[in-house]
Amino acid sequence: SQQGEEDPQALSIQEGENATMNCSYKTSINNLQWYRQNSGRGLVHLILIRSNEREKHSGRLRVTLDTSKKSSSLLITASRAADTASYFCATDGDSWGKLQFGAGTQVVVTP
Amino acid sequence: NAGVTQTPKFQVLKTGQSMTLQCAQDMNHNSMYWYRQDPGMGLRLIYYSASEGTTDKGEVPNGYNVSRLNKREFSLRLESAAPSQTSVYFCASSEGLNRGWDNIQYFGAGTRLSVL
Repeated sequence: SQQGEEDPQALSIQEGENATMNCSYKTSINNLQWYRQNSGRGLVHLILIRSNEREKHSGRLRVTLDTSKKSSSLLITASRAADTASYFCATDGDSWGKLQFGAGTQVVVTP
Repeated sequence: NAGVTQTPKFQVLKTGQSMTLQCAQDMNHNSMYWYRQDPGMGLRLIYYSASEGTTDKGEVPNGYNVSRLNKREFSLRLESAAPSQTSVYFCASSEGLNRGWDNIQYFGAGTRLSVL
């Protein structure tokens, strides 16, 4: 069973626009991570936010975490064509460190 | 520094055939994982190895076996392949599953397996 569920399933935007995707999860967590997957490639870690943090930034990425709502959001600002990828949230809810991944949000950024 | 290396990249099997997917990491990580990725379902954990010498079942272990050959290598074996095992398989590694570590995982490029 999946712990995280991303929303929307797919997102299409133009270069320069912001992309926002959400992740909801079911059980308490120690941390939540976001990963990116380019077509035909493996996943790449983007950012980690701990359960006692509410917001974190890394370059053009901004992640928020609301543990009361069991949800997180990933914002990519000023999107580029190179941001075209699938984005996955991952949580370690039921066992320290073992990650459970959502089904992902497919983002397409058109020039 | 190659990170996580998987072989082969592609494989086609007939039902009932066996094969072993190989994975090696050069980051001196303690923990290693095998996932499968199917359309619309994200990644599902098949088996993992928290440390050298240990292996444990994940969410979908049926039809698979694993071997943690040494700290670097973690292989996944399909003894009698079935069409339901058609998928993309990813190996990953992390520093470890101990409390206090963030368990950021590093992934290989994947093996695309078709079982006919």
